[in-house]
Amino acid sequence: KAGVTQTPRYLIKTRGQQVTLSCSPISGHRSVSWYQQTPGQGLQFLFEYFSETQRNKGNFPGRFSGRQFSNSRSEMNVSTLELGDSALYLCASSFGLQQGTEAFFGQGTRLTVV
Amino acid sequence: AQRVTQPEKLLSVFKGAPVELKCNYSYSGSPELFWYVQYSRQRLQLLLRHISRESIKGFTADLNKGETSFHLKKPFAQEEDSAMYYCALLGGSEKLVFGKGTKLTVNP
Repeated sequence: KAGVTQTPRYLIKTRGQQVTLSCSPISGHRSVSWYQQTPGQGLQFLFEYFSETQRNKGNFPGRFSGRQFSNSRSEMNVSTLELGDSALYLCASSFGLQQGTEAFFGQGTRLTVV
Repeated sequence: AQRVTQPEKLLSVFKGAPVELKCNYSYSGSPELFWYVQYSRQRLQLLLRHISRESIKGFTADLNKGETSFHLKKPFAQEEDSAMYYCALLGGSEKLVFGKGTKLTVNP
């Protein structure tokens, strides 16, 4: 069974640009969550999607957005990149955490903003 | 508000010594607590969850609602336990709230 796949693995962007990250969940999982991981702040929740609907959102500016497609694949977009957006972006998928199932994480996309 | 605090950023022990990674939480309801582990160059993975009350790789964690704690313990640390450990809380939504993590180093 394939795990959570995130593409690309690495990205280097310039300040002011925008970027799109992709996450393919485990087959059958309909919940996809995104997290930003930095050395100083640890993992911070960005948002969660289920069946193409955003159900939960963290405390990030509107420059961070996402969507989910009918096949449960999800994309995350960051516009007008800032140096502080440099981080590892993790995606996790599950059948639904409130149902007692486990969240499986991808290997992440390392974004560097220069 | 949901909050998870891991007071130790770094923890270093010798092989065979007991280890305890601290986790305190703040949540008004009944949370579900987890420990996640990230070994070097590997993806974040679930280590254990309080509702299953099981021991994984020799680690145990007990939810203490009075002290709002969920400390991770292992009686005899092994070098392969060296990793980043994150405590996480699941409240009333699908949002996992993580602590900032503790880097455990087990020295030979």
